[in-house]
Amino acid sequence: KNQVEQSPQSLIILEGKNCTLQCNYTVSPFSNLRWYKQDTGRGPVSLTIMTFSENTKSNGRYTATLDADTKQSSLHITASQLSDSASYICVVSGEGFGNEKLTFGTGTRLTIIP
Amino acid sequence: DTGVSQDPRHKITKRGQNVTFRCDPISEHNRLYWYRQTLGQGPEFLTYFQNEAQLEKSRLLSDRFSAERPKGSFSTLEIQRTEQGDSAMYLCASSSRQGAEGTEAFFGQGTRLTVV
Repeated sequence: KNQVEQSPQSLIILEGKNCTLQCNYTVSPFSNLRWYKQDTGRGPVSLTIMTFSENTKSNGRYTATLDADTKQSSLHITASQLSDSASYICVVSGEGFGNEKLTFGTGTRLTIIP
Repeated sequence: DTGVSQDPRHKITKRGQNVTFRCDPISEHNRLYWYRQTLGQGPEFLTYFQNEAQLEKSRLLSDRFSAERPKGSFSTLEIQRTEQGDSAMYLCASSSRQGAEGTEAFFGQGTRLTVV
């Protein structure tokens, strides 16, 4: 069964600190991996999308890595801000390239405290 | 603002009533997706449209659920005879094309349904 597992489930860090979120997946075949940010009560917003040929991609203070061999990804947040408080969801696209084949993780709930 | 809009944002209904949600995708996007998200879980795929054609439905979509996209633009999701288990956030997303890079799905803000 296709699965995406994220760790930790929740994380609390001080403003200005860095953090790294982890994602392991068993989705096969693999097309691409995405990280989304979801604020409470709102829809997910895309941060990065990576295909199997990419092993790192940055979007401002967010840097995602992908190891397609070990089926692991990480999202590193640098110099955290209060507005980074949200759930971060790892999403893997399986066969084909359609969004109907997305497998979502349950997310990491990140809380930034001043 | 992602450009995908959903209406209403919140809906409270009594068990057994019918509800209908609307999604307006980004105008040039030909693909439209419906997902359901329960508390503490990631979204789960329900169904999707390419233009006006409904191409796939998840087994999560029971016969009480029906979705339409009559003119290939906005879409509606109707739930008949609602049950308490239908309480969830219903998310709509749209994307523009298929391709080797994979297409970006842009999500709306969701409709939060509470069945009492």
